[in-house]
Amino acid sequence: EDQVTQSPEALRLQEGESSSLNCSYTVSGLRGLFWYRQDPGKGPEFLFTLYSAGEEKEKERLKATLTKKESFLHITAPKPEDSATYLCAVTGNQFYFGTGTSLTVIP
Amino acid sequence: NAGVTQTPKFQVLKTGQSMTLQCAQDMNHEYMSWYRQDPGMGLRLIHYSVGAGITDQGEVPNGYNVSRSTTEDFPLRLLSAAPSQTSVYFCASSYSSYLISGNTIYFGEGSWLTVV
Repeated sequence: EDQVTQSPEALRLQEGESSSLNCSYTVSGLRGLFWYRQDPGKGPEFLFTLYSAGEEKEKERLKATLTKKESFLHITAPKPEDSATYLCAVTGNQFYFGTGTSLTVIP
Repeated sequence: NAGVTQTPKFQVLKTGQSMTLQCAQDMNHEYMSWYRQDPGMGLRLIHYSVGAGITDQGEVPNGYNVSRSTTEDFPLRLLSAAPSQTSVYFCASSYSSYLISGNTIYFGEGSWLTVV
């Protein structure tokens, strides 16, 4: 059964304290893995697409990596404005979303 | 750039009422879809369309109806609202079907629906 699991469910970091969010997946015929950011009361905002194991993408303090079984979203020296829910999604036979990691960065 | 526009933003319905959530995109995207987002459940696909005149069911289609008469618009109809349909609804679009090429999907701002 295709599924996406994100961990942890919630993460509290001090400003400047780097960490990683995990997205593990089982899907037949992966066509792409997506990371989105969702702010309260808003729709998901696209961050990255990864297509193959070993691929990496970076944007400001965020870096996404992909292996054959999981993806990591690394957050380096986070700021309070990085507080949001981060969603992972994969495309196989359908488009599957994880339940997200709620990140809070404390000043 | 308007992107994906949803209306209304908030709606309260009584059980048994019907209503339509509107979705429009101005990016000439072929693929459009509707999701619902519930706590602890993630985003779940309701219906999708790969082009004008073509629609198909997603993971949770019961109680919802869609049509795609134009490329730009993809309304979602609740036929007889039930409390279980209380949720946040997101419309999304992409250039072509994600199943073919993993195209990036862009989301609207969401519609908050409460059924009492």
